[in-house]
Amino acid sequence: DQQVKQNSPSLSVQEGRISILNCDYTNSMFDYFLWYKKYPAEGPTFLISISSIKDKNEDGRFTVFLNKSAKHLSLHIVPSQPGDSAVYFCAASQYNFNKFYFGSGTKLNVKP
Amino acid sequence: ETGVTQTPRHLVMGMTNKKSLKCEQHLGHNAMYWYKQSAKKPLELMFVYNFKEQTENNSVPSRFSPECPNSSHLFLHLHTLQPEDSALYLCASSQVVPSGHSYNEQFFGPGTRLTVL
Repeated sequence: DQQVKQNSPSLSVQEGRISILNCDYTNSMFDYFLWYKKYPAEGPTFLISISSIKDKNEDGRFTVFLNKSAKHLSLHIVPSQPGDSAVYFCAASQYNFNKFYFGSGTKLNVKP
Repeated sequence: ETGVTQTPRHLVMGMTNKKSLKCEQHLGHNAMYWYKQSAKKPLELMFVYNFKEQTENNSVPSRFSPECPNSSHLFLHLHTLQPEDSALYLCASSQVVPSGHSYNEQFFGPGTRLTVL
């Protein structure tokens, strides 16, 4: 059973606009969440994380929001740039376990 | 070399072959992982090694056999695979505290694209 879900396999956004990628999870014990970005022929690279004691974490153009009651997190990219075009994975973990659960990814296409 | 490296990058093998995937991390981490990524599916954790000891085997068939000779190297030995084992195999590493848990992110290698004929 998939504990982390990304229900949108793809998203297309115009350059300069906001990209919003969504992720839902089912396990209420998860307390640490991450976003990874993956270009073709490369491994995923860490982008941004958030722990459950926060509801927002910002790093430059990237902001992750966490809604624990809804078991939902989202990644906002603003402004979007063509170089942001990649597959984005969300992942979740429990502090007591050295194990991450990944979603199936959302392919973002930022059009010039 | 920096980061996490994997060899080979591409591998085509028959169902009766034996091959090995290699992963090396140059980050001084003490935990290493094997993941499988099939098309349009989540990354599936296969094995976890903390301090060279296997701490997780996520119900992986015995035709996949991991080996971790030291904290920098991780192998995945393949034997009599099936066509459905064709996938991208990703290695990752991270730094964990001795109790085994960590908030540190994992660093991934570029993966080995495996095709089983």
